Amino acid sequence: DSGVTQTPKHLITATGQRVTLRCSPRSGDLSVYWYQQSLDQGLQFLIQYYNGEERAKGNILERFSAQQFPDLHSELNLSSLELGDSALYFCASSVEVIGELFFGEGSRLTVL
Amino acid sequence: GQSLEQPSEVTAVEGAIVQINCTYQTSGFYGLSWYQQHDGGAPTFLSYNGLDGLEETGRFSSFLSRSDSYGYLLLQELQMKDSASYFCAVKSGYSTLTFGKGTMLLVSP
Repeated sequence: DSGVTQTPKHLITATGQRVTLRCSPRSGDLSVYWYQQSLDQGLQFLIQYYNGEERAKGNILERFSAQQFPDLHSELNLSSLELGDSALYFCASSVEVIGELFFGEGSRLTVL
Repeated sequence: GQSLEQPSEVTAVEGAIVQINCTYQTSGFYGLSWYQQHDGGAPTFLSYNGLDGLEETGRFSSFLSRSDSYGYLLLQELQMKDSASYFCAVKSGYSTLTFGKGTMLLVSP
């Protein structure tokens, strides 16, 4: 158990819908990262927050947005969902801006 | 941009030694990390090389050559439970960690 909690574990929805994925980092970790992993693909970096502020942005679609709240939990919002958005979405946290990442178990999103 | 190359699949037998190579292209390089992922589970950190040379952690070792933009993960005394995907990841810029596409290691009896 990494100490990073993600909910929901599984989510099935339809095209055009909107979903929110939630992540609670390890106690004391200020950095939260979101990654997308499609079938047989590597981990694609989406976005990173540090202590409530956006720190780095990767290949995140405009339909996707994220935020980190004062209690340090983070949410990833995915809207106007398409079939290709079906993937595992991982949240990770770390103590510092640069450091070992601790991953949650992921949220598996299926768009039908 | 950044790119990492690693083999897509490696096979080995129990008790053997296997090396998974990783070459990278990036600017502002800080270090090379390795992560293990079992069948869609959470990736877990294995090792980090910030300087050239070999880092050893039990049965696993990792090597980095900054001048060659190359590193490898060495797994010794392979066990069936080592069957997993292994990702190299480059730490560059201020904070991002960019992952390779992963190497699936299949360990057979």
